[in-house]
Amino acid sequence: AQKVTQAQTEISVVEKEDVTLDCVYETRDTTYYLFWYKQPPSGELVFLIRRNSFDEQNEISGRYSWNFQKSTSSFNFTITASQVVDSAVYFCALSMTGFQKLVFGTGTRLLVSP
Amino acid sequence: EAGVAQSPRYKIIEKRQSVAFWCNPISGHATLYWYQQILGQGPKLLIQFQNNGVVDDSQLPKDRFSAERLKGVDSTLKIQPAKLEDSAVYLCASSLPLGRLNTEAFFGQGTRLTVV
Repeated sequence: AQKVTQAQTEISVVEKEDVTLDCVYETRDTTYYLFWYKQPPSGELVFLIRRNSFDEQNEISGRYSWNFQKSTSSFNFTITASQVVDSAVYFCALSMTGFQKLVFGTGTRLLVSP
Repeated sequence: EAGVAQSPRYKIIEKRQSVAFWCNPISGHATLYWYQQILGQGPKLLIQFQNNGVVDDSQLPKDRFSAERLKGVDSTLKIQPAKLEDSAVYLCASSLPLGRLNTEAFFGQGTRLTVV
């Protein structure tokens, strides 16, 4: 069975602080995909990144970076120099190759105060 | 490019009533999903369509929930009769067809259902 665990329910930081959101996953498949989505108060889920299981290179996109470690089954997300607009719920998700059904974690609510 | 459209945005009904939600996916997206997101939880897949065929409905409570995508474009999700525990946000998403690279799903803003 596939499972995604986001142990951090809510994180509060002050603007310009760096923050890391943790994601731990479980799957028996050797090929899979990991995702991060952002859910702002408006409700829609906004795609941030997709990573396949064969690519463990870390990725940086502006203030966002992702650290994928198969050895610990983790796919953590770091926001550098956080901003108030980063306030949202962030979801980590997992899917099998060939099937796009997403298995989501319970989400981490990030509150960035000025 | 227009995103995934859903209506209504909000709905309040009494238990045992019926309700229907509508979704229009991104043009050209053959795969359509309905997710249920209960407050404080991550979304859970209810049903997945490829064109007008069902790919996965293993988590759809078929005694009360039904969904259709008759012409392979827009879709309707129905609940009849509704229970209190059906209170949730119902998210529709669409993506390129299965068999392509595992592309991301694009989500609508959802329909927030409150059953009283």
